[in-house]
Amino acid sequence: GEDVEQSLFLSVREGDSSVINCTYTDSSSTYLYWYKQEPGAGLQLLTYIFSNMDMKQDQRLTVLLNKKDKHLSLRIADTQTGDSAIYFCAEILFISSGSARQLTFGSGTQLTVLP
Amino acid sequence: EAQVTQNPRYLITVTGKKLTVTCSQNMNHEYMSWYRQDPGLGLRQIYYSMNVEVTDKGDVPEGYKVSRKEKRNFPLILESPSPNQTSLYFCASRNGHNSPLHFGNGTRLTVT
Repeated sequence: GEDVEQSLFLSVREGDSSVINCTYTDSSSTYLYWYKQEPGAGLQLLTYIFSNMDMKQDQRLTVLLNKKDKHLSLRIADTQTGDSAIYFCAEILFISSGSARQLTFGSGTQLTVLP
Repeated sequence: EAQVTQNPRYLITVTGKKLTVTCSQNMNHEYMSWYRQDPGLGLRQIYYSMNVEVTDKGDVPEGYKVSRKEKRNFPLILESPSPNQTSLYFCASRNGHNSPLHFGNGTRLTVT
């Protein structure tokens, strides 16, 4: 089956940069997403990148997309304790039964920010 | 406020006792979906619905049913719950193929 892969855990010191990596499967994915899940809450959209872009920056967040290697990364600058959460990357895939598209998620990366 | 609302937030039940988890969205979204989240497995899709009266199986539909009689509601039904259905469940909706999903806050289900 299709797999979106992420490392399960990442620990960084407060103030350092965090880089969360993801490899996806479908080169025809139009959008790639990063979601953040805080404890006890649902997933919230953090940022996304359109597939014709290489980079997108939004304040402390930088998304890099390498289409050749099907590699997506999320960099969080000046990581704070409030950034501790699970981060999911997701890609849109066409499903075989028609033109509908489904969002497929990675396993999530648990980011722990140490004081 | 635009939101996806799931109920209940927490549920403990016994094997074989039918239960329903409700999901409602107030954004007039056509697409709704149910996921379960398990450690190390990320989110796996159970069922989805492209519109009213249109539902399809996701990756892990066994043991679940859904219905979509109205646009805003998409209940998840477990006719005979089993312990392997102990999980964290999320309902989500979106508007359009490439739009991001909006998630509910989750329902933590324990089946003993």
